[in-house]
Amino acid sequence: AQSVSQHNHHVILSEAASLELGCNYSYGGTVNLFWYVQYPGQHLQLLLKYFSGDPLVKGIKGFEAEFIKSKFSFNLRKPSVQWSDTAEYFCAVSPTGGGNKLTFGTGTQLKVEL
Amino acid sequence: GAVVSQHPSWVICKSGTSVKIECRSLDFQATTMFWYRQFPKQSLMLMATSNEGSKATYEQGVEKDKFLINHASLTLSTLTVTSAHPEDSSFYICSARDSIKAGESNEQFFGPGTRLTVL
Repeated sequence: AQSVSQHNHHVILSEAASLELGCNYSYGGTVNLFWYVQYPGQHLQLLLKYFSGDPLVKGIKGFEAEFIKSKFSFNLRKPSVQWSDTAEYFCAVSPTGGGNKLTFGTGTQLKVEL
Repeated sequence: GAVVSQHPSWVICKSGTSVKIECRSLDFQATTMFWYRQFPKQSLMLMATSNEGSKATYEQGVEKDKFLINHASLTLSTLTVTSAHPEDSSFYICSARDSIKAGESNEQFFGPGTRLTVL
């Protein structure tokens, strides 16, 4: 079975600071990788996803993530965060052809201060 | 974009009663829906995969007789928590995959969740 770990549980940044949230997964086969965001009081929304091809994936709102296969990592980055990025971020993995079941990490609560 | 709704958004019930939660895909068809449970400050845990017209597939440790799932149409799945107890209090979230686009990606669209409190 696959597992996902997110190293940072709580992150506090000032506006305009750069962001990197770590995500590592454990699985022996090929995977699809996702980052979801949950703004306060709202439902989960997809930020970006990786299926194949270019390991550097660009998503919405200026976020990007890089899949490093050798490190089983899919870290999320944003060069300059905004107060509106305050939310909880979840990394998720799904084995390709594995019934599309998502396994989520424990989430990272990001707070951006003005 | 694809929209998934859940009803009710929150419910309070007495111990021993049953509660039904609906999950609807509003603008697409979904042969597969998923039910998750989220405890406070924790991640989403997959409970079961709901397949239209067939039995749901439950994850290990999830009691299928306690959490009844019905997926009678391409746009509706229901989760019924039977004989609810305080330990069943949680945030229940559903998601759905677009059947037509299934070959392109396995992206899931999430509902807003249902907060269940059992007294």
